[in-house]
Parts: sequence; C-alpha cells; structure tokens
Amino acid sequence: GAVVSQHPSWVICKSGTSVKIECRSLDFQATTMFWYRQFPKQSLMLMATSNEGSKATYEQGVEKDKFLINHASLTLSTLTVTSAHPEDSSFYICSARDLLAGVTYEQYFGPGTRLTVT
Amino acid sequence: GQNIDQPTEMTATEGAIVQINCTYQTSGFNGLFWYQQHAGEAPTFLSYNVLDGLEEKGRFSSFLSRSKGYSYLLLKELQMKDSASYLCAVRDNMNRDDKIIFGKGTRLHILP
Repeated sequence: GAVVSQHPSWVICKSGTSVKIECRSLDFQATTMFWYRQFPKQSLMLMATSNEGSKATYEQGVEKDKFLINHASLTLSTLTVTSAHPEDSSFYICSARDLLAGVTYEQYFGPGTRLTVT
Repeated sequence: GQNIDQPTEMTATEGAIVQINCTYQTSGFNGLFWYQQHAGEAPTFLSYNVLDGLEEKGRFSSFLSRSKGYSYLLLKELQMKDSASYLCAVRDNMNRDDKIIFGKGTRLHILP
C-alpha cells in the first residue's frame, strides 16, 4: 500500500525559532499534498494544499508567512513553522494523493509530527 | 462554506452495534469518508461513499443520502480495539480545489 512518512515524528523547540517538517511519499508520486493541524481532542483542520511546482493554497485564517510550504518534488513537501510560539504546539499531519492511481479519492496520511514549543 | 456535524462522544458495549451519524452541508460535494483515529496516531481510512446507499465492509458499514446531507457509520460486533475517534469527512471540489474537510470527530468508548 501507499506509504507516507513524516520527519521528525516529534520535536521540541524554543519560542521564536523555526521548525521544518518533511512529508514524503515513499512508494508513489504525489502532485498534491495536504497539511493538517490537530489540537488535543479536536479534529483535523486543513491548513493548506500543496501542489508540486506551484504555490500552496492556504485555508482561511492560516498565515502563509508563518507556515511556509514548499513542494519541490513529486515525493516531498515541507512545512516550516517560522517564529514558533507555544500556541503553535500541535499535531501536524500531512497526506498525499497518488498521481498514477488515476481518478482516485483516497488520501494517504503520514504518521504525524508532534510539535511542542516551549 | 462547509459544515459537518457529528456527536462528540458515544459509549457502547463490547459485542453490541453502534451507529455514528454525520450531517453535512457543503458547496461542492464529491464524496464522504469515514476515518478511524486512535489517540496520537494519524487517521486510517475506513470507507468512502459517493453514491446513495449502503456500503458494507466486514464489521463496518457506511451509508449515504446525498439529498439529506446525511451519512452514518455502523459498527457491528464491537471490540475493545474499536475504542477510537471516528471522523466524518467530506470531499469538496468547489473552485477546482479538491480537498477533504473533516468533522470534529466522535469519540467512541467501548465498555467491557
């Protein structure tokens, strides 16, 4: 089955620093990747849609200058949380669609990255 | 915009049947998903409905009525490992942005 990995799986950083999270599709190519954020006991909130070779589309209320997304290849998208603050502490999950699967509905989710900002 | 409603929490007994309902309003409906999520883990795919009717897959079944904006997930022969959050999610393709929007999830507690 399609596998999506994320790195790191967890990270602790100090307030004001930046953190980069990688999302990789391991055995398929993904033109589109999605970044979600999930606070404790809440559902996944879509932050942005990342398209290979073009700018990401951000959801309303998500600061594009704070959450930088780069989708430089068909297997890698990165999310950089800039000038992190404690309120950015959350579970960040990416997902990807398989380009070669044709018209497909399924998104494959990565295992998530737990970010704690102190 | 989108609006997805499902109960916050439910409790059921091991071996029993439970139905988790979901109602939705969306501009560009293109299918409805159910995902299971255990605490601290990513969601795992359970089902996808795009046409009206019931889809059965082992102990899990999912139903969709597009005219009513309604779906349910039916879990039979409940097991302790079914204790998890169940997320109703809608595929929305308005404005040519094909994306999945999640409801807030239903935390299901299974009692022995």
